[in-house]
Amino acid sequence: AQSVTQLGSHVSVSEGALVLLRCNYSSSVPPYLFWYVQYPNQGLQLLLKYTTGATLVKGINGFEAEFKKSETSFHLTKPSAHMSDAAEYFCAVSSISNFGNEKLTFGTGTRLTIIP
Amino acid sequence: GAVVSQHPSWVICKSGTSVKIECRSLDFQATTMFWYRQFPKQSLMLMATSNEGSKATYEQGVEKDKFLINHASLTLSTLTVTSAHPEDSSFYICSARRLAEQYFGPGTRLTVT
Repeated sequence: AQSVTQLGSHVSVSEGALVLLRCNYSSSVPPYLFWYVQYPNQGLQLLLKYTTGATLVKGINGFEAEFKKSETSFHLTKPSAHMSDAAEYFCAVSSISNFGNEKLTFGTGTRLTIIP
Repeated sequence: GAVVSQHPSWVICKSGTSVKIECRSLDFQATTMFWYRQFPKQSLMLMATSNEGSKATYEQGVEKDKFLINHASLTLSTLTVTSAHPEDSSFYICSARRLAEQYFGPGTRLTVT
């Protein structure tokens, strides 16, 4: 079974500082990995995803993530935080459910706060 | 493109009543839709996978008689919470699959009083 661990339920960074949100996964097969962002009372928006190929993946809003198989990690970074980045971020891994359907398994989320 | 809507965005109902939540893919057809539940400050948990024209498949621990799912067309899936109780209060989010990617709706907040 797949699982996702997000280290740090809350992360605070100053505006303009580096954002680093950590995600480690467990998967018995080559994983598809995702980062989603959720603003209050809204659904999820895909930031970026890794399927195959280049291990450094660039997404929207200046975010990127690097797939490191040896570390089973997929950490999300952004060089310079902006106030609008304040939100909840979820890492997810795609797997196949017992019924043969794909399913996303989400981490518990990291709430990012930006300090002016 | 790939917009998913949910209706209503929020609903309050009395204990013992049923409530229906709609999930629509507005600009694409989706043979597969997913229903998630999210408790406050927690992650999303997959409840069931809805396939157009067939029965939904429920995740372990989800009562299929309580959470009725119907996927009658390629653009609409509905989730009906039957005989709702306060513990059913939650944020329900649907997603629709298009080209191996899931697109999420904005969610429906259900409060059962």
